[in-house]
Amino acid sequence: DAGVIQSPRHEVTEMGQEVTLRCKPISGHNSLFWYRQTMMRGLELLIYFNNNVPIDDSGMPEDRFSAKMPNASFSTLKIQPSEPRDSAVYFCASSYHPNYEQYFGPGTRLTVT
Amino acid sequence: GIQVEQSPPDLILQEGANSTLRCNFSDSVNNLQWFHQNPWGQLINLFYIPSGTKQNGRLSATTVATERYSLLYISSSQTTDSGVYFCAGVSNDYKLSFGAGTTVTVRA
Repeated sequence: DAGVIQSPRHEVTEMGQEVTLRCKPISGHNSLFWYRQTMMRGLELLIYFNNNVPIDDSGMPEDRFSAKMPNASFSTLKIQPSEPRDSAVYFCASSYHPNYEQYFGPGTRLTVT
Repeated sequence: GIQVEQSPPDLILQEGANSTLRCNFSDSVNNLQWFHQNPWGQLINLFYIPSGTKQNGRLSATTVATERYSLLYISSSQTTDSGVYFCAGVSNDYKLSFGAGTTVTVRA
């Protein structure tokens, strides 16, 4: 299997622009997770889906952030409008179940100027 | 999510040395994972170990679930072992919570 796939790997955008991050989970995995990593806050869970349904979005920082999972093989994380404090590495992960081993994608490094 | 505390925060080793990293967690866990984040930022799965002991080459891990801690052992360290090691656990809320990490530097 190719593992979790994320795109783009790097994104540089200006404040106020819309940013869309994409994730393809490992085939057969039922749970998908979005994380953010910053120096100040470390790795934190933003939202997770089970069977394409959002289960817990309490980690989403603001209404500017939204996530969707239209099918079992694709998810997006959107930031609109983006702000410099959103600069971070965003990871997507998947697993068979939230209690099972999670596998992480390579991450998207987002820079908002 | 649970609180995860890792120690030590930083570790400098001479190549060939052995070391132990510790992870304490605030509540019982259903899932406990160790990761290595390499200098390129990739999170590499080392162990899925909610309880018991596992070994993979020069690395091994032990989780004592009843006492809420896990240990990661690195033996005969190599420069490629450098990076940040994270422990993360899932409790009944299904959220994977990460510790702050241990930064390991192995010098040749």
